[in-house]
Amino acid sequence: DTGVSQDPRHKITKRGQNVTFRCDPISEHNRLYWYRQTLGQGPEFLTYFQNEAQLEKSRLLSDRFSAERPKGSFSTLEIQRTEQGDSAMYLCASSFRATNEKLFFGSGTQLSVL
Amino acid sequence: DQQVKQNSPSLSVQEGRISILNCDYTNSMFDYFLWYKKYPAEGPTFLISISSIKDKNEDGRFTVFLNKSAKHLSLHIVPSQPGDSAVYFCAASANDMRFGAGTRLTVKP
Repeated sequence: DTGVSQDPRHKITKRGQNVTFRCDPISEHNRLYWYRQTLGQGPEFLTYFQNEAQLEKSRLLSDRFSAERPKGSFSTLEIQRTEQGDSAMYLCASSFRATNEKLFFGSGTQLSVL
Repeated sequence: DQQVKQNSPSLSVQEGRISILNCDYTNSMFDYFLWYKKYPAEGPTFLISISSIKDKNEDGRFTVFLNKSAKHLSLHIVPSQPGDSAVYFCAASANDMRFGAGTRLTVKP
């Protein structure tokens, strides 16, 4: 069990550029979640996957945000045409069972949009 | 929509004393509640949880209490230690998990 891995740890980009983050969950976990955290706030739910199926995406912040989990293993979160308001920590988490299960979080990707 | 609320942004206690962190929720569909601890530059780590069918769960120095009628839960840490200093998040789960804004606990030696 190597834990949830996120890459990169830090990303600095210019406004208008596209960015993509990767998350590798714990291998036997079938649920994968994306959260965003801004300073002084708790993690804000964005979307989640059960295996390769994206079961909830209405909480994605805008149509500039999209996530994939093509083979039910790793996932990517893409932000197109970044804005300064997108600057935040993006957290990935995974869990084994569908409900009533604790989430295991990665260390996050800190995005700074200049 | 703030379905999970932690109204105290910070708490400071003396080492050895009790720390009590509070959390309120609004969604009656939540059936599983958790507390997470977060250190700087790390993701949140699971601390303790409680199902809605229980009103108390204890794990060593940590106890979580759930009052369903009041839609309130609390985390008690006894005795508090300096290493407990961190940000504590309350979370509640139905189909997905929602978090409060966190309480920064400082335990002074």
